[in-house]
Amino acid sequence: SQQGEEDPQALSIQEGENATMNCSYKTSINNLQWYRQNSGRGLVHLILIRSNEREKHSGRLRVTLDTSKKSSSLLITASRAADTASYFCATDEALYGQNFVFGPGTRLSVLP
Amino acid sequence: KAGVTQTPRYLIKTRGQQVTLSCSPISGHRSVSWYQQTPGQGLQFLFEYFSETQRNKGNFPGRFSGRQFSNSRSEMNVSTLELGDSALYLCASSWITSDQETQYFGPGTRLLVL
Repeated sequence: SQQGEEDPQALSIQEGENATMNCSYKTSINNLQWYRQNSGRGLVHLILIRSNEREKHSGRLRVTLDTSKKSSSLLITASRAADTASYFCATDEALYGQNFVFGPGTRLSVLP
Repeated sequence: KAGVTQTPRYLIKTRGQQVTLSCSPISGHRSVSWYQQTPGQGLQFLFEYFSETQRNKGNFPGRFSGRQFSNSRSEMNVSTLELGDSALYLCASSWITSDQETQYFGPGTRLLVL
């Protein structure tokens, strides 16, 4: 099974609203990263948060990490139509020899 | 600085054929990882190369192989293609290790197996 599991699977909001996506994982990690993917293209790195950090900001993005609950959230404030994409969390737990495990992603649609 | 490049961008093959995909990492990056993305399985790790050596391997059959050259460019090969190999193949590079650092992804190669 996948390490990271995003929730919800799909999210539809109006422009200007905030979007919150959650990610849960199963085992200990060193860091957790969030990526964005536009319509079947390559992934774009958004933010990396280390296990000893609780919150990190980057522009309109805010990521939190709760290692006791094995969960992370990505908040996009004042969303724009250009934020429409799939968002993935990825953890560094080694499973079956993998060193980087992605969740299934949250598909965000921002309506104008 | 140029980003990660992948060639070709699109590829159509038939069952039983083999295919080779190429990835050129960002200049100076020594780690290259490959991923397969399908609607059903999502993003799955294939393997990682560092300094011409395979450092990690995902849970894929031996038909999937790769290599890395001295200039850090990497190729992945899939032999005896199956319909289920149709996917977007993504390559990512980083300075030293993919699990501690940001990975930079290429645009991907979309493979269709008929």
